[in-house]
Amino acid sequence: GIQVEQSPPDLILQEGANSTLRCNFSDSVNNLQWFHQNPWGQLINLFYIPSGTKQNGRLSATTVATERYSLLYISSSQTTDSGVYFCAAFTGGGNKLTFGTGTQLKVEL
Amino acid sequence: GAVVSQHPSWVICKSGTSVKIECRSLDFQATTMFWYRQFPKQSLMLMATSNEGSKATYEQGVEKDKFLINHASLTLSTLTVTSAHPEDSSFYICSASGTSDYYEQYFGPGTRLTVT
Repeated sequence: GIQVEQSPPDLILQEGANSTLRCNFSDSVNNLQWFHQNPWGQLINLFYIPSGTKQNGRLSATTVATERYSLLYISSSQTTDSGVYFCAAFTGGGNKLTFGTGTQLKVEL
Repeated sequence: GAVVSQHPSWVICKSGTSVKIECRSLDFQATTMFWYRQFPKQSLMLMATSNEGSKATYEQGVEKDKFLINHASLTLSTLTVTSAHPEDSSFYICSASGTSDYYEQYFGPGTRLTVT
């Protein structure tokens, strides 16, 4: 099956810093989602992004499907951005998601 | 919009007993619901996919007789862990998606199961 790798696995930022998280996938995907899992375990939808670039406040995402990667940009990070960020790819012509390995982000004051 | 709830949020049960977890889509009709399992510090692993009124499709390695899934309506799916054992202790998360033309999944808050 498809492999979805994320980098870096862990990231520590000072509040106000910017960062880029990367998601590589081993095969063609139909679509891609980015999530933030907060410390209580809730997954929050960030982006549903098959290709191109989307922005939502301090966050933006870019997917280049032909090169099999997606990027999540976090600008002016805040402590509330802490948690795990997952990308997940839709595969197999259907609606099943394969989750990436995750990036654990900690934003410090 | 697109809110999914789960109940209970946490449960402790004794080895050998069964536990039922409910997943509800509160403000949309979910044609498909999914059940995931997450161990500490790990990613989410899909267990099964269910469509309303149909039998669930289980991922390879998931015991269908142990993890019973029922999707009785367009807003409710249940996962029953039968004859639970300590190794079944995990964080179980459901998700739901709406129309078949748009596959975005929305996730419930998860249920933490501890089997003693």
